[in-house]
Formats: sequence, structure tokens, C-alpha cells
Amino acid sequence: ELKVEQNPLFLSMQEGKNYTIYCNYSTTSDRLYWYRQDPGKSLESLFVLLSNGAVKQEGRLMASLDTKARLSTLHITAAVHDLSATYFCGTSGSRLTFGEGTQLTVNP
Amino acid sequence: GAVVSQHPSRVICKSGTSVKIECRSLDFQATTMFWYRQFPKQSLMLMATSNEGSKATYEQGVEKDKFLINHASLTLSTLTVTSAHPEDSSFYICSAKTGGSGEQYFGPGTRLTVT
Repeated sequence: ELKVEQNPLFLSMQEGKNYTIYCNYSTTSDRLYWYRQDPGKSLESLFVLLSNGAVKQEGRLMASLDTKARLSTLHITAAVHDLSATYFCGTSGSRLTFGEGTQLTVNP
Repeated sequence: GAVVSQHPSRVICKSGTSVKIECRSLDFQATTMFWYRQFPKQSLMLMATSNEGSKATYEQGVEKDKFLINHASLTLSTLTVTSAHPEDSSFYICSAKTGGSGEQYFGPGTRLTVT
């Protein structure tokens, strides 16, 4: 059974700081996804990572994938309050399996 | 492109009644649709997978007689919560998968409250 674990589950950080969210998964997977969820809303797709060493960046967020270590990271650079949300990673084989989510709060 | 809609966005119903939630792919044909449930402060849990024209595949622990799924066309799937109870109150999210890229696109979700 595919398991996906995120770390940390809760993250409170100051504006302007950097931090990394980690996503470990248990078995080989086709692709790795990162999503953002705001309170009361559905998932917003952030990144799809398809191959080992893939790196994608959008604004202050950068995602990377190491398939050998079965690890993906979501790096936040110079955080701003608008990034406060819950972030989920997910991997897909026959179906999409999500991590527990990381609740990020960026404080002014 | 690749827009998925859900209707209604929120619904309140009385215990014992049934509620139908629609999921539509607006600009593509979805070979497969998925139904998820999300309780507060938790991750999304897959309830069932449906392919057009065939019976849905339910995840372990999900009652198929309680959560009826119909995928009658390539653009529409419905989830009916029968004899709803307060513990069924949750955020229900559907997603639709294209046959080509295989990417999943998520609907905006339906907030169900059973009183």
C-alpha cells in the first residue's frame, strides 16, 4: 500500500523567512504533485514533477523530486502572509494518494 | 481549459434524507472520475473511482449502498448520499481524469451539513 508522509504537519513562520516542507512516499510512483488548499476551498494544483531531479519554481515556491530517495520538497523563499494555506503532496500509481497536509501560517 | 464543476457548492439537509451532488467536466471528456471526502483538518480520502458506463469501485470501508455513484456520461458523475446522518457532514470533492495526459482536475467541492 502506497503511503505518503509529510513533515512538518504544522508550520508557523515569520514573513521573509525560508523553510522546506518534506514529502516522503513509500513505493515507486509515476509522478508527484503539490497542491495548495485555502480554508473552505478545494485543491489548487501547484506543481507536477515527473522525473528524478525535476525542479519547478513558481514565485516563492520551488518543488523538487528525488525518486531514488522517494522524497519531494517544497521550498518556500522569503515567505509572505498570502502563502498561508495547507499544502498537500500526492503521488499517483493507479490512483492519487495524498499526504496528511502541512498547515502553513506566515506571521507578519 | 480542464475545468471541473460541482453542484451544489453547499447543502444542508435533514437527517434521513438523501442528497445528490453533481460533478461535471466542462471542457473535456473524463474517462474516470473520483470522489473524495475531507473532514476538518484532515487530508482527502478517496471514496470511490468511477468509469463511464461501469460500476464504481469503492474504497475499503465506504458503504456502496449509502454512497451511490453514477457515471452516466463522459462529462457527468453523481454522488448520492442516501439516508444522510450528521456523521456524513463533510466536504466532498470530485476530480476528473483525462484519458490522454492522465492528469486529474479537481472540482470546487461541496460542503454537506446534515442536521
